Amino acid sequence: QQQVKQSPQSLIVQKGGISIINCAYENTAFDYFPWYQQFPGKGPALLIAIRPDVSEKKEGRFTISFNKSAKQFSLHIMDSQPGDSATYFCAASLITAYSGAGSYQLTFGKGTKLSVIP
Amino acid sequence: ETGVTQTPRHLVMGMTNKKSLKCEQHLGHNAMYWYKQSAKKPLELMFVYNFKEQTENNSVPSRFSPECPNSSHLFLHLHTLQPEDSALYLCASSQQTRQKDSPLHFGNGTRLTVT
Repeated sequence: QQQVKQSPQSLIVQKGGISIINCAYENTAFDYFPWYQQFPGKGPALLIAIRPDVSEKKEGRFTISFNKSAKQFSLHIMDSQPGDSATYFCAASLITAYSGAGSYQLTFGKGTKLSVIP
Repeated sequence: ETGVTQTPRHLVMGMTNKKSLKCEQHLGHNAMYWYKQSAKKPLELMFVYNFKEQTENNSVPSRFSPECPNSSHLFLHLHTLQPEDSALYLCASSQQTRQKDSPLHFGNGTRLTVT
């Protein structure tokens, strides 16, 4: 119920191509869906995020597509560049009630290692 | 230049050692987190502090002990670790935990090897 399933595990794309990474979830209580990008030797950094009342969000070459009924969301990277080579994590946010405080907690997918070759 | 600084970057320790990981954030945030990152596994949330109060403890073994003396500093005290605890330990901060779209800002991690 708490899992976010991410695929593929790794992806190789030619420069200029489209990279697509998919995620699926079961728990309908998830209500915010960010993507994080991690370069080797660095911590993850927020790339783009979407709320479930929106079906698509675009920021530059990066687009999130969200299908609420299918409980799936995906990241599309248009005109992929070698500098996009990194590991991408999808995540989903859920409010928890630890100590009665009520705080949001992110559940991450396992990550997709993207390699963009020249 | 990251707003979240972790030290040391690398740590090798024996199973009987005691060591501490340090994290400092310069972003004026009120929430701080410890995550464990292992190969081919999702990022695992270990501990969360919001305004210096611990708000989450995801069933982490007692050999890991967090400390948050103020909103800018977070420590992870380690003792009698096991080889399976070898991983990248990431510290993160956010404005606070009660806002769903409050992004996490991660440090570059401490690569821990337990021998």
